Amino acid sequence: GENVEQHPSTLSVQEGDSAVIKCTYSDSASNYFPWYKQELGKGPQLIIDIRSNVGEKKDQRIAVTLNKTAKHFSLHITETQPEDSAVYFCAATGKPGNTPLVFGKGTRLSVIA
Amino acid sequence: DSGVTQTPKHLITATGQRVTLRCSPRSGDLSVYWYQQSLDQGLQFLIQYYNGEERAKGNILERFSAQQFPDLHSELNLSSLELGDSALYFCASSGQGAGEKLFFGSGTQLSVL
Repeated sequence: GENVEQHPSTLSVQEGDSAVIKCTYSDSASNYFPWYKQELGKGPQLIIDIRSNVGEKKDQRIAVTLNKTAKHFSLHITETQPEDSAVYFCAATGKPGNTPLVFGKGTRLSVIA
Repeated sequence: DSGVTQTPKHLITATGQRVTLRCSPRSGDLSVYWYQQSLDQGLQFLIQYYNGEERAKGNILERFSAQQFPDLHSELNLSSLELGDSALYFCASSGQGAGEKLFFGSGTQLSVL
């Protein structure tokens, strides 16, 4: 089955700097890659997703890139703000609609004001 | 607010006991998923239901069971509880079969003493 590795497990950045979180997946059939943000005391919330037919997707200060050949994808957050502090999870699935998401173990991002 | 409702928010019980966690999906969503989140293991998929029927099974213990009712709400039953079952249990729902854009509830924090 699918296995998703996520790095780093913790990340501290200064406010205004960029943050990058990287994930690798094992199943070459995976074609849907969402990112979730989990704030303290809340459930994970979808912030951006990408499909395998797209190499990059951007939404304001966040972007995701996908390298299918290397089987890795990354989350980029620019101009970080204190409210970006949270745990971020990457995930992958081969058949959205039929196969549950497999999540990485998460990255705790701290943005220092 | 994701639209997914989980009750109770907190549950404290003793080893050997049985508890039931409840989830109401977003209006119109047919799929319900259960995930377990512990400190070092991230989000582990337990089980998925689609329109009342079991669709996929993950690392769910035999002591755990779930069902989805005709009104689409779901219950996760945990029995013969052990200390190691202490975790945050999330329910998520999606609208198109399974796996597509999961929306998570705020979770049930289970503490087994």
